[in-house]
Amino acid sequence: SQTIHQWPATLVQPVGSPLSLECTVEGTSNPNLYWYRQAAGRGLQLLFYSVGIGQISSEVPQNLSASRPQDRQFILSSKKLLLSDSGFYLCASRQGRLKAFFGQGTRLTVV
Amino acid sequence: DQQVKQNSPSLSVQEGRISILNCDYTNSMFDYFLWYKKYPAEGPTFLISISSIKDKNEDGRFTVFLNKSAKHLSLHIVPSQPGDSAVYFCAASEVGSQGNLIFGKGTKLSVKP
Repeated sequence: SQTIHQWPATLVQPVGSPLSLECTVEGTSNPNLYWYRQAAGRGLQLLFYSVGIGQISSEVPQNLSASRPQDRQFILSSKKLLLSDSGFYLCASRQGRLKAFFGQGTRLTVV
Repeated sequence: DQQVKQNSPSLSVQEGRISILNCDYTNSMFDYFLWYKKYPAEGPTFLISISSIKDKNEDGRFTVFLNKSAKHLSLHIVPSQPGDSAVYFCAASEVGSQGNLIFGKGTKLSVKP
């Protein structure tokens, strides 16, 4: 089965600072990759998905961006964080119609 | 507009009894449904899924029921155990949607000993 590695597990960043969250996938090739955010009191909101290297689609307008430099690497970035970017960020991998596997998540607090 | 709705934010059940978690959806193009379980500060873990060609799928203590005409699915946990206490997310995906999973807001289940 697939293993999703996400780091860091927790992060506290000041408003206006940059962000880079990394996700790598083991046990599969050419997966669809996803970034989700779980904000306080809300469900899992899909932020970005990627069907291949260099291919990124955004689901919601936001202050964040994503990149996929390698088949099994997915990066979430921001040039300047906002308070509203705080939340629990999850990377997920899915192949075809099978179940999606999730990483352990990153708790981001913007102060 | 939410396409997947879990209208009960929380549910409390006595150990040994049945837990029933409900989920409604609006998009008739959804053809695959999944339930995930999530503990605090961890990623969701897959529980059980069902294709739209079925109306029931069972795996141990977990059973998912799908009512396509009502656009409703439910997860039954029997018997409920204290370790089942977690947030449960319903998710759906649409044919040809790049495999994107659309999640509900979750239901927090508390199983009391």
